[in-house]
Amino acid sequence: EAGVAQSPRYKIIEKRQSVAFWCNPISGHATLYWYQQILGQGPKLLIQFQNNGVVDDSQLPKDRFSAERLKGVDSTLKIQPAKLEDSAVYLCASRLAGVYEQYFGPGTRLTVT
Amino acid sequence: AQTVTQSQPEMSVQEAETVTLSCTYDTSESDYYLFWYKQPPSRQMILVIRQEAYKQQNATENRFSVNFQKAAKSFSLKISDSQLGDAAMYFCAYKAPRGAQKLVFGQGTRLTINP
Repeated sequence: EAGVAQSPRYKIIEKRQSVAFWCNPISGHATLYWYQQILGQGPKLLIQFQNNGVVDDSQLPKDRFSAERLKGVDSTLKIQPAKLEDSAVYLCASRLAGVYEQYFGPGTRLTVT
Repeated sequence: AQTVTQSQPEMSVQEAETVTLSCTYDTSESDYYLFWYKQPPSRQMILVIRQEAYKQQNATENRFSVNFQKAAKSFSLKISDSQLGDAAMYFCAYKAPRGAQKLVFGQGTRLTINP
């Protein structure tokens, strides 16, 4: 079974530029999560999707961050414009309905200069 | 709001020895789930062990076991016979029984294994 796929693995941009991350969850997993992990901290949930609907985006900075999940499968997370404090690893995770374990992807390391 | 605290930023242990990582949490719920995740340098979070709060028996997975003290809101991880491959960041996480089911993570403990 293929795991959660994310791309790119690394991205370096200048502040005020825009960037997008892509996530492909495990096949059949209806729930998808995006987490932000700042260096030295634990991951923090940004947004949760159930199929293609948003369940929780209470900690998503909506003035600059946006996310969508097309057809309830792949998801993209966008930052526009980026700030220095957005430098972090962005983790995508997915979960099968009725099961509490979340499966994580390898993450995208974003550096904003 | 639920919070998770890991008070040990770094720990080290000799290979083949036993080490215990600490975690405390705060919640008003009576039924919830607790997890330990391992994050190696590859960054991929890997589930190590889980505990359901309604279960009194401590969870065990091979060399990994937990000491779950519900009244004290404590959830420590014991790694026996430490191996070089155990070196990683370890995160304690909490999940509420209902609602959005997000994971709330602690700050992490970096574990070093000395050969």
